[in-house]
Amino acid sequence: ETGVTQTPRHLVMGMTNKKSLKCEQHLGHNAMYWYKQSAKKPLELMFVYSLEERVENNSVPSRFSPECPNSSHLFLHLHTLQPEDSALYLCASSHLSGQRYTDTQYFGPGTRLTVL
Amino acid sequence: GQNIDQPTEMTATEGAIVQINCTYQTSGFNGLFWYQQHAGEAPTFLSYNVLDGLEEKGRFSSFLSRSKGYSYLLLKELQMKDSASYLCAVLDSNYQLIWGAGTKLIIKP
Repeated sequence: ETGVTQTPRHLVMGMTNKKSLKCEQHLGHNAMYWYKQSAKKPLELMFVYSLEERVENNSVPSRFSPECPNSSHLFLHLHTLQPEDSALYLCASSHLSGQRYTDTQYFGPGTRLTVL
Repeated sequence: GQNIDQPTEMTATEGAIVQINCTYQTSGFNGLFWYQQHAGEAPTFLSYNVLDGLEEKGRFSSFLSRSKGYSYLLLKELQMKDSASYLCAVLDSNYQLIWGAGTKLIIKP
């Protein structure tokens, strides 16, 4: 079984839709991350969860709402998105030592989101 | 501000050697990562450098000079499967990962 899985792999939605992205990690890690990856731009960190508590929220619009019910699962709930939100959304996990994200992050394959 | 610079795209020939450079200006430094990302796939970890010098791992090597704010990834005996994007990322003083935009490497036969 692969380390970090994401579903769906592809998603097309209208601006009025509500959808959710799912991430699951099988590595026994205690931190999970959502990133946005747009073409030819650096990865943008959106949210970090450590031990199921949100510890980072990098000025992400409220139309993105994360949820972390346990250390293995992470969701990103989407509503009233804009076309500029079209991107690859990557989930990652790592082991967190104290407050330091020094350990290697392992990524899922991403969800390719298109907002019409 | 914090900045990671790497070339947008590079082309190399199968069997050859290529060096992908990364320069950084960050508030502090706690290590530098290289990741490989094939089109449509997850970024995968290649290397981590925190001390100056060269780390070799098979066909791939990564070099770091903290005084120059510089790293490179060296790929030897290039294979077609090495066609991918290579991402450089630096851990700053707050242990936040600062990412470069990636270098797309095209391998030609």
